[in-house]
Amino acid sequence: SQTIHQWPATLVQPVGSPLSLECTVEGTSNPNLYWYRQAAGRGLQLLFYSVGIGQISSEVPQNLSASRPQDRQFILSSKKLLLSDSGFYLCAWAQGQARNSPLHFGNGTRLTVT
Amino acid sequence: GQQVMQIPQYQHVQEGEDFTTYCNSSTTLSNIQWYKQRPGGHPVFLIQLVKSGEVKKQKRLTFQFGEAKKNSSLHITATQTTDVGTYFCAGPAGNQFYFGTGTSLTVIP
Repeated sequence: SQTIHQWPATLVQPVGSPLSLECTVEGTSNPNLYWYRQAAGRGLQLLFYSVGIGQISSEVPQNLSASRPQDRQFILSSKKLLLSDSGFYLCAWAQGQARNSPLHFGNGTRLTVT
Repeated sequence: GQQVMQIPQYQHVQEGEDFTTYCNSSTTLSNIQWYKQRPGGHPVFLIQLVKSGEVKKQKRLTFQFGEAKKNSSLHITATQTTDVGTYFCAGPAGNQFYFGTGTSLTVIP
């Protein structure tokens, strides 16, 4: 069966520090991968998605970036965190086109920028 | 771009009462998906509706897809405390998923 791993679960970082969140998927090949952010009590904001290795689509211009160095690995990064980067970051995967497959989310990372 | 709105944003009900959340899209959807996010957790896929006018049931949950495929609803009969959470609809488009704003349900025992 397919599983998605996301770490760390919680993170407290000072303003201006770098960020690296990692997500891996097991049990499937060539998944579509997604990074979402959720502010407290708010909806899901799509940050990046990827349909293949090295292919990244950005939905919201900001100081975050994403990379997909391997088929089942998706990384979210920042060189310098802002206070507004605080939130709940969720990695997700889907098989194929969105209309044919639901999203499967990881457990998320709660990021607090102080 | 595609926008998906949900109402209400918040709903408090007494245990045993019914609950409904509505989802409206600015564009016609190929299908609609529903997710539930428990407090402190991550969204979990509930169901997908594809056909115009489709109705699906999962125990006490009834999902409907509008005839024009631009709106959908989720109805919970006789809510229980285990129904607490935020319910999201999502409209797929290409490789993207456009999520609704969510309805947060509180069930008062």
